[in-house]
Amino acid sequence: AQSVTQLDSHVSVSEGTPVLLRCNYSSSYSPSLFWYVQHPNKGLQLLLKYTSAATLVKGINGFEAEFKKSETSFHLTKPSAHMSDAAEYFCVVSVTQGGGNKLTFGTGTQLKVEL
Amino acid sequence: KAGVTQTPRYLIKTRGQQVTLSCSPISGHRSVSWYQQTPGQGLQFLFEYFSETQRNKGNFPGRFSGRQFSNSRSEMNVSTLELGDSALYLCASSLVTSRSHDTQYFGPGTRLTVL
Repeated sequence: AQSVTQLDSHVSVSEGTPVLLRCNYSSSYSPSLFWYVQHPNKGLQLLLKYTSAATLVKGINGFEAEFKKSETSFHLTKPSAHMSDAAEYFCVVSVTQGGGNKLTFGTGTQLKVEL
Repeated sequence: KAGVTQTPRYLIKTRGQQVTLSCSPISGHRSVSWYQQTPGQGLQFLFEYFSETQRNKGNFPGRFSGRQFSNSRSEMNVSTLELGDSALYLCASSLVTSRSHDTQYFGPGTRLTVL
C-alpha cells in the first residue's frame, strides 16, 4: 500500500522567510507525487508534481520540491513566503489501480504567514 | 478553457433525506473522481468514473453511489443521509488516469450540511 505522511500539521513563518513543508512517502515502487494547495472555502489547486523525469520539481508561485528516494521524502519549499501563501497544503501520492488511478492524501499542513 | 464546475455549491439537508451532486469536468476530460473532505477524516477517495464505467471505489458504504453520462458529466448520490455525511465533496477531472502521473484538476466543491 502507498501512503504519505505530512510531518507537521501547522507551520508558521514570517513574511519574506523561507517555507519548508515536510512530506514522507511509502511506496513499493516509483511513485507519482503531487503537492496541492487549498485556500479557505476553495477547491484544490495543483502546485507541482513529480513524475520521475527530474528530482527537483518547480511549481507555481515560486514553490519547488525535491524527490529524495534514499530518504523517501518530497519536501515542499519556497525561498520567501508571501501573505497570500497562507493556506492548507496537501502531499499526495497517486496509485494506479483497476485501469485508473486514485489519489491518497496526506493529512495536510496549515501554513500561517505572519507580518 | 473552463475549469471543473460543481453544483450546487452549498446544500443543507436533514437526516434520512437523499442528495444528488453534480460535476462537469474540463472539456475533453473523460475521467471524473469524487472525494470527501471532513475535518476528522481528511480527504478520502470515493470513486472514479471513466467512459461511464466505475473503475475504482473507495471504502464508503453503499449509500454513496455515482454515475457518469456520455458527455463525461458525473453525479454522485447519497441516500439516507447521516450527520456524519456533512462534508465538502470535491470532484476532479483528468484527461485519462491510466498513468499514475496524470494530473487531476479539482472543482470548488459542494458543501453539504446534514441537520
